[in-house]
Amino acid sequence: EVQLVESGGGLAQPGGSLRLSCAASGFTFSGYWMHWVRQAPGKGLVWVSRVNPDGSGPVYADSVKGRFTISRDSAKNTLFLQMDSLRAEDTAVYFCARHYGDSVWGPFDIWGQGTMVTVSS
Amino acid sequence: DVLMTQTPLSLSVTPGQPASISCKSSHNLLYSNGKTYVSWYLQRPGQSPQLLVYEVSNRFSGVADRFSGSGSGTDFTLKISRVETEDVGVYSCMQGLHLPYTFGQGTKLEIK
Repeated sequence: EVQLVESGGGLAQPGGSLRLSCAASGFTFSGYWMHWVRQAPGKGLVWVSRVNPDGSGPVYADSVKGRFTISRDSAKNTLFLQMDSLRAEDTAVYFCARHYGDSVWGPFDIWGQGTMVTVSS
Repeated sequence: DVLMTQTPLSLSVTPGQPASISCKSSHNLLYSNGKTYVSWYLQRPGQSPQLLVYEVSNRFSGVADRFSGSGSGTDFTLKISRVETEDVGVYSCMQGLHLPYTFGQGTKLEIK
């Protein structure tokens, strides 16, 4: 079964850090672009970051640029999101998602269940 | 950023009746290869989003044929020919042509 399972969410203080993980199974992880998307409570979906199949070329939303780092470990079939200098507005459910298709403009076909990040003192 | 504006933001539909959601983009989403990179997602209550339609009108694998997408350029529509109770949730359009990827605000579909 194709599956993505996030972990690592929790409560962090403003200015603190968290590292999210997304374990992939059931497909050739190293063959896909991967994304992080977040959803603040009661709000819509917001794209956060994308990384190439080989781990190169990370891109970020302006709201997280310079604070978040996306990476992947193909040996462990795992996607990561290192979140530093956290702010209250980063509070959200964070989903990892698999990119569908052979172009970088494609949709996201597989989503994890999400992990909640709460930034509060 | 490309603004994706959905209407309506909420919809109440009787089972068996059709439903339609509009998504308007602030930028043309047609690429030089002839493809238009708009997709639609359904997020059922308490669940993660699922892909329904990609490249405007291609139904994703396993998606019921009562779902259809249409449109071009900057105007797109998702239609449900006959709403079923399992269609309850929030529908979102997304563009993938311009970074950052952007989503519409979401349209909440309820059953009457």
